[in-house]
Amino acid sequence: NAGVTQTPKFQVLKTGQSMTLQCAQDMNHEYMSWYRQDPGMGLRLIHYSVGAGITDQGEVPNGYNVSRSTTEDFPLRLLSAAPSQTSVYFCASRGQEHTGELFFGEGSRLTVL
Amino acid sequence: QQPVQSPQAVILREGEDAVINCSSSKALYSVHWYRQKHGEAPVFLMILLKGGEQKGHDKISASFNEKKQQSSLYLTASQLSYSGTYFCGTELGHGSSNTGKLIFGQGTTLQVKP
Repeated sequence: NAGVTQTPKFQVLKTGQSMTLQCAQDMNHEYMSWYRQDPGMGLRLIHYSVGAGITDQGEVPNGYNVSRSTTEDFPLRLLSAAPSQTSVYFCASRGQEHTGELFFGEGSRLTVL
Repeated sequence: QQPVQSPQAVILREGEDAVINCSSSKALYSVHWYRQKHGEAPVFLMILLKGGEQKGHDKISASFNEKKQQSSLYLTASQLSYSGTYFCGTELGHGSSNTGKLIFGQGTTLQVKP
């Protein structure tokens, strides 16, 4: 099993550009989430989903959109990138009726110039 | 809503013990603990559900005091491999079930020296 797969691993954007970070899991987990990690700030929850068709906001949702059309995929969209969105992004999933451990992807490093 | 971890950083010699604390201002459904090495994704250590349980594997254990909304991670006889950043993640309850919103603390950096 591949687990949680994120693409791309690295991306450089210019201010105002849009892009989508892809996340896919092959563990049939209903729960998926996106975090961003900045130095000294820990992991901050952007959006999460408890199943296909259901999404909810986390701590820092502004500037990001998500959708969950399938159980496997949970893409994160930046519609108009800003330098403040320079960060490392982690996608994670969990099973066991949402009470199990989080399985993280390897991360995507995004730089917005 | 973000849990508060203490201390922010710890430096140990091999074989020494450490305690990392995590506290929340809200009633918790569960507490997670993860360790992250530099440049890598966080890795799961353990989860504690409300009920005041204590868990452990090898020389790493944790406790969860539901009434105080606090959890502590205990690392005994530390090894070089324990170095990294430790995060607690807290999840609020909704009635008898969880909300699904797992929020992490700012992290505690642990460095173990020979």
